[in-house]
Amino acid sequence: QQPVQSPQAVILREGEDAVINCSSSKALYSVHWYRQKHGEAPVFLMILLKGGEQKGHEKISASFNEKKQQSSLYLTASQLSYSGTYFCGTFGPLTGGGADGLTFGKGTHLIIQP
Amino acid sequence: KAGVTQTPRYLIKTRGQQVTLSCSPISGHRSVSWYQQTPGQGLQFLFEYFSETQRNKGNFPGRFSGRQFSNSRSEMNVSTLELGDSALYLCASSWRMNTEAFFGQGTRLTVV
Repeated sequence: QQPVQSPQAVILREGEDAVINCSSSKALYSVHWYRQKHGEAPVFLMILLKGGEQKGHEKISASFNEKKQQSSLYLTASQLSYSGTYFCGTFGPLTGGGADGLTFGKGTHLIIQP
Repeated sequence: KAGVTQTPRYLIKTRGQQVTLSCSPISGHRSVSWYQQTPGQGLQFLFEYFSETQRNKGNFPGRFSGRQFSNSRSEMNVSTLELGDSALYLCASSWRMNTEAFFGQGTRLTVV
């Protein structure tokens, strides 16, 4: 089942902060974050494997609340290069028949203006 | 090292025809996933292959099928094409399931 992302779109001025949320109705084994710029392939940002885990990537970080089945992506002091569509991908728990595939949300469009 | 290669980059087909798309993963990667991307729907999971076996399948009709070869290269096939199948089809490879995925540039399929 597809995770739900919010907001659908956000417009910021350079230097402002943004938070993108991702929630799932099913138990999660991991959360992936990707960014796709217009006309390009999605690019990996980070994976969170454990509940409570937080990771950082330059000024982009994320958290994963396993119990709430939620993850958030934090972009601080945004730069023009951060513009694009951000996708969260969720991976379900391993089962006897194998794991669910990496299922993405519909994406959050982020526009950074100078 | 070379990235994920998808061929062809663009395709125009007629309703009712079938099409085969190809994906060559990064050397050493054994997991290949396929996604359909359309405006407003994001990345819709089609299926995932690992070591020549389909491990997961998304909620798509049986007209969509795929396979993976012993060298990890993968193909997906869509039979009896419909106008709604027009989309960007993306392939992603990773060294195993649930690890960083590397996407190809995609195949833009237009059904007329």
